[in-house]
Amino acid sequence: EIVLTQSPGTLSLSPGERATLSCRASQSVSSSFLAWYQQKPGQAPRLLIYGASSRATGIPDRFSGSGSGTDFTLTISRLEPEDFAVYYCQQYGSSPSTFGQGARLEIK
Amino acid sequence: EVYLEESGGGLVQPGRSLRLSCVVFGFAFDDYAMHWVRQAPGKGLEWISGISWNSGSRTYADSVKGRFTVSRDNAKNSLYLQMNTLRPDDTALYYCAKVKGAVAGPTDYWGQGTLVTVSS
Repeated sequence: EIVLTQSPGTLSLSPGERATLSCRASQSVSSSFLAWYQQKPGQAPRLLIYGASSRATGIPDRFSGSGSGTDFTLTISRLEPEDFAVYYCQQYGSSPSTFGQGARLEIK
Repeated sequence: EVYLEESGGGLVQPGRSLRLSCVVFGFAFDDYAMHWVRQAPGKGLEWISGISWNSGSRTYADSVKGRFTVSRDNAKNSLYLQMNTLRPDDTALYYCAKVKGAVAGPTDYWGQGTLVTVSS
């Protein structure tokens, strides 16, 4: 199975700053079938990005995804207070699908 | 409005069985694949099973293969997860989620989860 490793584990930033989260795969992700999710305490995950770079319905354009092969990035251009949460990457190109371990974005 | 509701969770002894259900509303259930994803308390997300729109493809994580069985009833807009030989490390919040595609894809809608606790 493909192992996804997210870094950093925790990122401490202030509102208005730029956040960059990384997801590295143990082998190439087929057809860039890589998604990003946001999860807040007590809530189900929310799909942000799929196909490595396509924003899901209703997702603000401050969220962007990039990458291919084994290296992917989620960028939040200007952090809003509601963006502080845990973020997961997921590959769905190979079975079994797998998630990264998660990255916490906290307020500095 | 899309809505998914899981049920069937609870406290169960190790080695016993449990069947989870997920009923969906607001979309053409028989057009989409579905997934089960779980989250142990304080931990990350773990994909555990998926089923295609017509049940022709069923996939499992190694951690549950041979113990869990996914199924669906398109006439009832319902997804199921039969969990056998449960272990304490199966304790988690179990989410059902709609896939953005008929066979595979990311999950674009999630339920709120049902909690399974495996303990003696």
